[in-house]
Amino acid sequence: DAKTTQPPSMDCAEGRAANLPCNHSTISGNEYVYWYRQIHSQGPQYIIHGLKNNETNEMASLIITEDRKSSTLILPHATLRDTAVYYCIVRAPTGANSKLTFGKGITLSVRP
Amino acid sequence: GAVVSQHPSRVICKSGTSVKIECRSLDFQATTMFWYRQFPKQSLMLMATSNEGSKATYEQGVEKDKFLINHASLTLSTLTVTSAHPEDSSFYICSAREVAGRETQYFGPGTRLLVL
Repeated sequence: DAKTTQPPSMDCAEGRAANLPCNHSTISGNEYVYWYRQIHSQGPQYIIHGLKNNETNEMASLIITEDRKSSTLILPHATLRDTAVYYCIVRAPTGANSKLTFGKGITLSVRP
Repeated sequence: GAVVSQHPSRVICKSGTSVKIECRSLDFQATTMFWYRQFPKQSLMLMATSNEGSKATYEQGVEKDKFLINHASLTLSTLTVTSAHPEDSSFYICSAREVAGRETQYFGPGTRLLVL
């Protein structure tokens, strides 16, 4: 699976949008971009994923560049409970060997 | 999202004993389950991948005889840490992937193991 690069940390003010960047310049044409987050001492929580079109759900929006070499996760109105480590992962589609490999992620701190 | 449970949530055991951790997908069937381990201030490391009814595939450096994985049904996988030692103390997290649909992978809440 292709690797991703994320800044180590960022912060934002409560109520503002949090834009989390991710670079995946070596992504293959059939690999999806997944975002998970991990709040301290809990298992990772699925947020969203996409292939090439922008995606939106109740938690966040995912913007993928046209060349698919980078993406941005947007939390539209960050709250204190959104403080967590956010992981951007690229993963091959179906298949027994398709697995999620976690990097270091980006630590988002939401301040009051 | 789909729900994955783990039991127990935390366990303390003596060195040399074995510990079994259960992972269940509560509202979906999972052909594939994964076991991860996370040490303090580190990221999740994949230990093994298991498909229902077949032997698990272990990542490099993970001892298959020490970490026994059984994936007996589409909703249950177990990880047994045999002859546990203090260095096995860690946060163990299972994950399950749906059979159908978008094949999103969901994670359990984790099991904190402390070996004395």
